[in-house]
Amino acid sequence: KQEVTQIPAALSVPEGENLVLNCSFTDSAIYNLQWFRQDPGKGLTSLLLIQSSQREQTSGRLNASLDKSSGRSTLYIAASQPGDSATYLCAVRASGTYKYIFGTGTRLKVLA
Amino acid sequence: DVKVTQSSRYLVKRTGEKVFLECVQDMDHENMFWYRQDPGLGLRLIYFSYDVKMKEKGDIPEGYSVSREKKERFSLILESASTNQTSMYLCASSPHDRPVYTFGSGTRLTVV
Repeated sequence: KQEVTQIPAALSVPEGENLVLNCSFTDSAIYNLQWFRQDPGKGLTSLLLIQSSQREQTSGRLNASLDKSSGRSTLYIAASQPGDSATYLCAVRASGTYKYIFGTGTRLKVLA
Repeated sequence: DVKVTQSSRYLVKRTGEKVFLECVQDMDHENMFWYRQDPGLGLRLIYFSYDVKMKEKGDIPEGYSVSREKKERFSLILESASTNQTSMYLCASSPHDRPVYTFGSGTRLTVV
């Protein structure tokens, strides 16, 4: 059974720092992996999608990498800003299914 | 602007009541999903539907049922609400041919 783990559970950094959020999964037979952002009391917004054949995806200050063989993904945030404060979740989708398995998230606080 | 709309942001119901949570999407997506989100447990899939009148159990279907009579609407039903169903409920949709989820804003249900 696929399990997705995110470490750390919470992180506080000063504004301007570069930071890395980690996601690991137990079954490497994935179709793709997504990173989401969730603001307090709100739904999720998709940030980046990496297909199983890809190694990384970039959008603005965000870069997500995928190492399928080791069951790991990282989300790199450059030059963090207070507006980046949110919970970041990763989710993996197995081949042959429509559903995603989610991690429990990393709660990020960027201090001004 | 494409949307997934959940009918209520906050809901308070009594134990034993029948509860309906409604989700409507305007993107002509085939797939729709209901998740619940609890602290420390992350998002867990309750039910999903990949077509009208089709439904599949997720990881935690007990105590819930669903209805998909029209493509745009996916309803989650709590037959007899219990206090352990107090949670944030999130609806999502996606097309068959692209793996990107769009989430609603969530319904925070409290059962007293």
